[in-house]
Amino acid sequence: DAKTTQPPSMDCAEGRAANLPCNHSTISGNEYVYWYRQIHSQGPQYIIHGLKNNETNEMASLIITEDRKSSTLILPHATLRDTAVYYCIVRAVYNFNKFYFGSGTKLNVKP
Amino acid sequence: DVKVTQSSRYLVKRTGEKVFLECVQDMDHENMFWYRQDPGLGLRLIYFSYDVKMKEKGDIPEGYSVSREKKERFSLILESASTNQTSMYLCASGGGTDLNTIYFGEGSWLTVV
Repeated sequence: DAKTTQPPSMDCAEGRAANLPCNHSTISGNEYVYWYRQIHSQGPQYIIHGLKNNETNEMASLIITEDRKSSTLILPHATLRDTAVYYCIVRAVYNFNKFYFGSGTKLNVKP
Repeated sequence: DVKVTQSSRYLVKRTGEKVFLECVQDMDHENMFWYRQDPGLGLRLIYFSYDVKMKEKGDIPEGYSVSREKKERFSLILESASTNQTSMYLCASGGGTDLNTIYFGEGSWLTVV
């Protein structure tokens, strides 16, 4: 599975959009991009995933570049409860058991 | 919503004790997983199961065993707990109509003294 690179931390003002980047330059054609987040002392929470098209759900939007080498998770109106570690993961379709969580990005939403 | 329930949120056990961590999911998922999470090491896969009575070793199976007698339940067993097994343990499940995603429980904090 492809490796991902994320900044270790980011700050965002409450009410503003949070844009979390992820590089996955070695991603292959059958690998999905997933985003999870983990609020302190809780289990990871699924946010969104995509293959090559941009995706949106009630939590966030996922923008994948045309060459698929990077992506951005967008939280449109960040709240204090969005403070968490955000993980970007790539996984091949057939490797259902291969969810590798790296270090992630600690998002600090400030009032 | 998917519900993955771990039986114990916080446990304190003595070295050498046998420890059972239970996990139940309510989405009829075929696949279930046990991870541990440690600072600086991220999440590491211990075991996973793709069907009842079926199991596969993950990346760090040593010192652990698992049991899956029913589809909805996946147990992690520490035969003889040691202090280096102090960690947060996370159960996850996936499959059914949503083959792409796994969902996690709240985690079990185990301290071995």
